[in-house]
Amino acid sequence: GAVVSQHPSRVICKSGTSVKIECRSLDFQATTMFWYRQFPKQSLMLMATSNEGSKATYEQGVEKDKFLINHASLTLSTLTVTSAHPEDSSFYICSAKNLGGQDMGETQYFGPGTRLLVL
Amino acid sequence: GQNIDQPTEMTATEGAIVQINCTYQTSGFNGLFWYQQHAGEAPTFLSYNVLDGLEEKGRFSSFLSRSKGYSYLLLKELQMKDSASYLCAVSDSNYQLIWGAGTKLIIKP
Repeated sequence: GAVVSQHPSRVICKSGTSVKIECRSLDFQATTMFWYRQFPKQSLMLMATSNEGSKATYEQGVEKDKFLINHASLTLSTLTVTSAHPEDSSFYICSAKNLGGQDMGETQYFGPGTRLLVL
Repeated sequence: GQNIDQPTEMTATEGAIVQINCTYQTSGFNGLFWYQQHAGEAPTFLSYNVLDGLEEKGRFSSFLSRSKGYSYLLLKELQMKDSASYLCAVSDSNYQLIWGAGTKLIIKP
């Protein structure tokens, strides 16, 4: 149980285009999902917390108009990188909490990540 | 401020035992997590401790002392596939995860 998928796994796009990344909880409902970014050899950086049916909460320094998050259902959250630039190239990873889990729903389960390259 | 400390890198021998330490200072505590992250991949969940003591899961064990703000991850019978980064994370009073920078574990034959 507690499987999270992400699509696509890799994407290459031109500068100025927008890219949408999907995050799905496959065998549980996730009222809260998280979006992280990780640059090579660096720590995970939380970008935003996505709550089903409400606006996402963004971390300081993350532009909400550039990184659009939509959490329209209990199993799907999307991250859209708008007008992507080469500096947005990174590894984007989502995670979800399984409220039905044995650990009071506190464990975050991660998707496999999406590697974005902006040319 | 909130802080998670763990060693940057450790080296161990295949078949041996290694202990990765994590100390934390956070505003509140709602549990401590260990994740494994292989290079180029997303983290995978290893363990969750919210009460003091040792939790054992096969070759991996995790220990917590809340009074000392201290945890360790113990890996036994090391295998080459255990070469990865090990991330310590603490859930604070707001249930936000505070992440350590990770410990890169190198296993040598």
